[in-house]
Amino acid sequence: GESVGLHLPTLSVQEGDNSIINCAYSNSASDYFIWYKQESGKGPQFIIDIRSNMDKRQGQRVTVLLNKTVKHLSLQIAATQPGDSAVYFCAENRDETSGSRLTFGEGTQLTVNP
Amino acid sequence: ETGVTQSPTHLIKTRGQQVTLRCSSQSGHNTVSWYQQALGQGPQFIFQYYREEENGRGNFPPRFSGLQFPNYSSELNVNALELDDSALYLCASSHRTGPNTEAFFGQGTRLTVV
Repeated sequence: GESVGLHLPTLSVQEGDNSIINCAYSNSASDYFIWYKQESGKGPQFIIDIRSNMDKRQGQRVTVLLNKTVKHLSLQIAATQPGDSAVYFCAENRDETSGSRLTFGEGTQLTVNP
Repeated sequence: ETGVTQSPTHLIKTRGQQVTLRCSSQSGHNTVSWYQQALGQGPQFIFQYYREEENGRGNFPPRFSGLQFPNYSSELNVNALELDDSALYLCASSHRTGPNTEAFFGQGTRLTVV
């Protein structure tokens, strides 16, 4: 069946280090992926997205890489800060006309140690 | 802040009761989607509303129903509550302008069924 999943449930890093969060997907027809950050007690917050016609996209301190050959994407956070501590989800958009029909993975808990 | 507001923030109901959750979409957005997020898991798509009609549904029983109003706000109704319905219910709004548009989430309503 179709799924979007994550490799690791938890990740602990030192402040200032770079973080890499991985995600695998199984539907080769998927064409749009989003990374969300969810802090405790809050709704998911959009971080960055990428379309299947791209391999890499950069934002402020974040980079998303997409490898369609192995159906894998990753989120890289540079110079991780304590405020980056949260659960990170990758999500697949399966609605071609609206950005809100999303399939989420189970999330990776990122902990940044001072 | 995303501009998507949900009410109430917390709610406790008894098994068998009915509940109504509310969502005000971000200004300019015409599409609302609802998600259920169980503790420790990623959000699961319930359904989406566009132009006051249901436009896509996930794997949820008919006792989960919704409405969208002319001002694009929305309600999620759950009848005959079960203990497993305890979860964070998230609303996301977006604008149907084309493929893969960003969805903005509210803070969610924490529902506890006892």
